[in-house]
Amino acid sequence: GAVVSQHPSWVICKSGTSVKIECRSLDFQATTMFWYRQFPKQSLMLMATSNEGSKATYEQGVEKDKFLINHASLTLSTLTVTSAHPEDSSFYICSARDSGGLNTEAFFGQGTRLTVV
Amino acid sequence: GENVEQHPSTLSVQEGDSAVIKCTYSDSASNYFPWYKQELGKRPQLIIDIRSNVGEKKDQRIAVTLNKTAKHFSLHITETQPEDSAVYFCAATPMAGNMLTFGGGTRLMVKP
Repeated sequence: GAVVSQHPSWVICKSGTSVKIECRSLDFQATTMFWYRQFPKQSLMLMATSNEGSKATYEQGVEKDKFLINHASLTLSTLTVTSAHPEDSSFYICSARDSGGLNTEAFFGQGTRLTVV
Repeated sequence: GENVEQHPSTLSVQEGDSAVIKCTYSDSASNYFPWYKQELGKRPQLIIDIRSNVGEKKDQRIAVTLNKTAKHFSLHITETQPEDSAVYFCAATPMAGNMLTFGGGTRLMVKP
């Protein structure tokens, strides 16, 4: 099946610093990618929809200036957590669906566990 | 927007028994309903999906049923095994769109 690669898989950073997470579709093109956040023992909550070549669409309550999303190519979206604080510690996971086919399956990256100390 | 409710939040069964997880959705435009299995610290993996033009789909020990009128769909796992233990998420989305709305998840524990 299609592969979505996410890096890094885990990161520890100090409060106030920024962290960039990459999401790549390895064998298909994705005009749209999705960023989710998952707290322990909870569901995946959509943060934003990343659109290739245009601005991301953020869900209500998600600060666009804090969670910067860039989707510069059909295979890469990045999420930057700016001025990270301990409450930003979470599991971040991206998802993508093949733009060119009829298959509607969503593939997930392996996730990034962010710990802000 | 879409709202997906999932029950139960936890489910414990004996090995060999069946497990049923139920979801309801709110948006009548939704017509693609996948189920994902997520093991601790790992990415969700698609286990089965159903589209609105069918009422039931089966793949070995796993089956999904859909009732569009009532806006609910269910996952059925038969002959459960300890390796079925994981968190299961249902989701819904309109076919024309891409965004998945997830249910709250069900933690399934299969006791040997």
